[in-house]
Amino acid sequence: QVQLVESGGGVVQPGRSLRLSCAASGFTFTTYAIHWVRQAPGKGLEWVGFISYDGSSKYYADSLRGRFTISTDNSKSTVYLQMNSLRAEDTAVYYCARRVFDYWGQGTLVTVSS
Amino acid sequence: QSALTQPASVSGSPGQSITISCTGTSSDVGGYNYVSWYQQHPGKAPKLMIYEVSNRPSGVPDRFSGSKSGNTASLTISGLQAEDEADYYCSSYTGSSTYVFGTGTKVTVL
Repeated sequence: QVQLVESGGGVVQPGRSLRLSCAASGFTFTTYAIHWVRQAPGKGLEWVGFISYDGSSKYYADSLRGRFTISTDNSKSTVYLQMNSLRAEDTAVYYCARRVFDYWGQGTLVTVSS
Repeated sequence: QSALTQPASVSGSPGQSITISCTGTSSDVGGYNYVSWYQQHPGKAPKLMIYEVSNRPSGVPDRFSGSKSGNTASLTISGLQAEDEADYYCSSYTGSSTYVFGTGTKVTVL
């Protein structure tokens, strides 16, 4: 069955970096784009960005471009979200989702706090 | 990329029908037939309920239906059931390979 499992969340100080992982299984990884979506505590969903099925193209929300970078390791069927210069407002549950948002992971919580 | 506008809350009694709106612009909802709807229960990941305006993924009850008129998309839940109580979000493709979500609607079953 299709599974997406996020990991790498935790507590990080403002200004520091963190890398999240999204491990995929149960489908042909190299034929699907993967999105990242985040949800601040008690707030709505926010699209972060996505990486194309072959990793050649990456797109980001305007507000995050430059600080966040998405990459992929096809040999591990894993997509990464590198987050730099973290701010308190980046505190959220981060989800990865398959191409048309048909499957989602369980999410990983990132807390930016000193 | 401003969030699509949804009502904060909608409520209905069991068996009734409710409709949730999702208003955007001609650059997102009105410009593409790539509007989706998601159901999210507390502490859970979102679940896709409708894609491409009006298509239901396998396993989603036919009580859920979607439509679009101009810059506004709608999700209708017919025969409301207790388990339908959740938060609902819409999303739309916005062109240039970017996406936007709605502000979210809390559905309460009275």
